[in-house]
Amino acid sequence: EAGVAQSPRYKIIEKRQSVAFWCNPISGHATLYWYQQILGQGPKLLIQFQNNGVVDDSQLPKDRFSAERLKGVDSTLKIQPAKLEDSAVYLCASSRDYYSNQPQHFGDGTRLSIL
Amino acid sequence: AQTVTQSQPEMSVQEAETVTLSCTYDTSESDYYLFWYKQPPSRQMILVIRQEAYKQQNATENRFSVNFQKAAKSFSLKISDSQLGDAAMYFCAYRNRDDKIIFGKGTRLHILP
Repeated sequence: EAGVAQSPRYKIIEKRQSVAFWCNPISGHATLYWYQQILGQGPKLLIQFQNNGVVDDSQLPKDRFSAERLKGVDSTLKIQPAKLEDSAVYLCASSRDYYSNQPQHFGDGTRLSIL
Repeated sequence: AQTVTQSQPEMSVQEAETVTLSCTYDTSESDYYLFWYKQPPSRQMILVIRQEAYKQQNATENRFSVNFQKAAKSFSLKISDSQLGDAAMYFCAYRNRDDKIIFGKGTRLHILP
């Protein structure tokens, strides 16, 4: 089966600009996650979707970050305006089931650098 | 709130030797899942092994095995016959009944030829 697809792989922008990331999960996976991974740390969950509904966005900085998953398939994560501290790798993951031993499958991530 | 602690930021092991990576977690729940993920420089997180909390038997996947001590809230990963391709960041992760998944800060494993 095809894995989780993410694009772009790298993005460099200046602070206060906007940026968007795209994720296409594995076919049939109902749950989709966006993580922020700052260098040297573990992934931190930003938002979790179950189909096209938001399950958890408690750690999403809503004043600048937004995400959507229209039609319950692919998803976009946007940052507007970007700050220096947003420099990180943004990982998308999907899972077949909600709360199970089925693991999350991760994409390759997008490395965001803010100048 | 649940937390996951990996107390070893970096470890090194000689090729073909055995190494154990530590992970402890804090929770008041009795039903949960635990995972070890590997993240090579290519960045993609790859599942190494998983453990259901209700199972007493330790999970094993080829050269990888865990020592799951539920009472002690410990979940260590043992890698036998270490290979150069095992070099990566290893993350311990906890998944709770609300499907919230919490990662530790990771352990960077170096394999010495």
